[in-house]
Amino acid sequence: EAQVTQNPRYLITVTGKKLTVTCSQNMNHEYMSWYRQDPGLGLRQIYYSMNVEVTDKGDVPEGYKVSRKEKRNFPLILESPSPNQTSLYFCASSSRQTGTDTQYFGPGTRLTVL
Amino acid sequence: AQSVTQLDSHVSVSEGTPVLLRCNYSSSYSPSLFWYVQHPNKGLQLLLKYTSAATLVKGINGFEAEFKKSETSFHLTKPSAHMSDAAEYFCVVSGYGGATNKLIFGTGTLLAVQP
Repeated sequence: EAQVTQNPRYLITVTGKKLTVTCSQNMNHEYMSWYRQDPGLGLRQIYYSMNVEVTDKGDVPEGYKVSRKEKRNFPLILESPSPNQTSLYFCASSSRQTGTDTQYFGPGTRLTVL
Repeated sequence: AQSVTQLDSHVSVSEGTPVLLRCNYSSSYSPSLFWYVQHPNKGLQLLLKYTSAATLVKGINGFEAEFKKSETSFHLTKPSAHMSDAAEYFCVVSGYGGATNKLIFGTGTLLAVQP
């Protein structure tokens, strides 16, 4: 089954404790992206990657890092999480073949930073 | 710069009555426009996509949207609401800065369906 998976689905952590949220897709998509969703703000793009080893900042990149060492994986790293990073996070992927703007979303990761 | 405005944060309808979720867009480019749906505790699912081929776009689950350039609108409609339509709906534009991979989301409309 074609899908985007994220782990963990739920995470509660404390300020300053480094964490990684994994994202994996099995559709051989070139493009991957991370969003955060906050009430009343919709989804905002954090980082995106056009292909392996190619990443760029989205609209709200502060406090986050990403890497794209393999085509299928695009982890989101919070080196020193803070309470304002408490949010619902979505990973998405798309392909040039079907249109990079038609994105397939993972199930989301709900992060709470205390 | 691209932007979308969803005119209602909450919409409540009775089961079997029509649904109208309103979206206006602003774009310097010829936009691609989307509607996504998010059911409670679920990810986002693509409902439909407009890419200038036809102004009336049909999506899944009986939804459709009409692109009106003169009104810069892309409203989502459904003739008859089901209880299962209760969810949050996002209007989305792409092409921000000319990059088709950048999506700009509206703030969402929460649809409630009353029995």
